[in-house]
Amino acid sequence: DTGVSQDPRHKITKRGQNVTFRCDPISEHNRLYWYRQTLGQGPEFLTYFQNEAQLEKSRLLSDRFSAERPKGSFSTLEIQRTEQGDSAMYLCASSYEGGSYEQYFGPGTRLTVT
Amino acid sequence: KQEVTQIPAALSVPEGENLVLNCSFTDSAIYNLQWFRQDPGKGLTSLLLIQSSQREQTSGRLNASLDKSSGRSTLYIAASQPGDSATYLCADYNQGGKLIFGQGTELSVKP
Repeated sequence: DTGVSQDPRHKITKRGQNVTFRCDPISEHNRLYWYRQTLGQGPEFLTYFQNEAQLEKSRLLSDRFSAERPKGSFSTLEIQRTEQGDSAMYLCASSYEGGSYEQYFGPGTRLTVT
Repeated sequence: KQEVTQIPAALSVPEGENLVLNCSFTDSAIYNLQWFRQDPGKGLTSLLLIQSSQREQTSGRLNASLDKSSGRSTLYIAASQPGDSATYLCADYNQGGKLIFGQGTELSVKP
């Protein structure tokens, strides 16, 4: 296992379009997190899953955002009707509950909304 | 609400200098504290994780300390190199395991 992977690495879309990102965590990790990072800022928490259950969602996650982890393995983050303010780096991380909770991050998906 | 602050926002040092990056947090009831490195346009690389029962962790030229009573953590980098140039982020583990990040310190090490 080579770590957390994310796809695509870059996405350019026009305002109003829908986009979907995928995250594949480290295989034995049961927790999966999504964060958003804008230029010059630290990442901000969006949501997290334990297995397939979505346990917490940030107020940043508006109704246009939805995340799933259907089989407790990979996760998808969908943004509907994208806005220019959605332009950011979307980061995924995974960890193992019962350990130190140390989170391992993927390379991120850079979204640009034109 | 937990807040994490990093000072300074940017730092430039000559190669070979020892340096300290600072991180402060408002809620002393933290679980863990983690330091990350981020290169431009890239994801985060974990450097050190300090559990709440620990006071410091070391890895190579890096040493991170945690003082819960004062709400502070420091990352010490010895004998800095140009390859250390990056943004350094500290993050506090909230209840539930989510991370609360500071804004980062952008480090530039000049040859």
